[in-house]
Amino acid sequence: AQSVTQLGSHVSVSEGALVLLRCNYSSSVPPYLFWYVQYPNQGLQLLLKYTSAATLVKGINGFEAEFKKSETSFHLTKPSAHMSDAAEYFCAVNGGSQGNLIFGKGTKLSVKP
Amino acid sequence: EAGVAQSPRYKIIEKRQSVAFWCNPISGHATLYWYQQILGQGPKLLIQFQNNGVVDDSQLPKDRFSAERLKGVDSTLKIQPAKLEDSAVYLCASSLGLAGGTRGEQFFGPGTRLTVL
Repeated sequence: AQSVTQLGSHVSVSEGALVLLRCNYSSSVPPYLFWYVQYPNQGLQLLLKYTSAATLVKGINGFEAEFKKSETSFHLTKPSAHMSDAAEYFCAVNGGSQGNLIFGKGTKLSVKP
Repeated sequence: EAGVAQSPRYKIIEKRQSVAFWCNPISGHATLYWYQQILGQGPKLLIQFQNNGVVDDSQLPKDRFSAERLKGVDSTLKIQPAKLEDSAVYLCASSLGLAGGTRGEQFFGPGTRLTVL
């Protein structure tokens, strides 16, 4: 069965600092992996996705993630945090052939001025 | 291109009452999903439709929850009777088709926040 673990329910960084949000997955099949962002009172917006092409995936707003099969990880990074990055971030893995997603519990990112 | 529309945005009811949520997916999207997001957790799939047929409803509490997708477009999710633990945000998403790749990319609506007192 597929599952996702996000380490750290809250992460706080200073503006301009590196952002690192951790995600580890478990999958019995080659996974598709996703990062979504959720701003307050809004739905989820896709940041980036890994679909078995390049292991380093670039997304919107300067985010990127690297798929590491040996570590079963898909950590999200951004070199320099901006105040507008403050939101909740969810890692997800495809649940099966029907396309449903299995989400982690989320990491809330705070950015200090 | 219009996104996924949901209504109402907020709903407060008392336990044992009934409630219904509505979703209009992106035009042309064959697959529609309903997720439940409890505070502090990630979204959990309740039911998935392909056109107007159910693909997966294994996690839908069928004794109180029901859903339908009329003519393969709009969808409604109903809870009757509601319990305190149903307080959550109900997210609707749609995609062109199934599985991974571009066709499977899911687009989410803003959600309906349900509070059960």
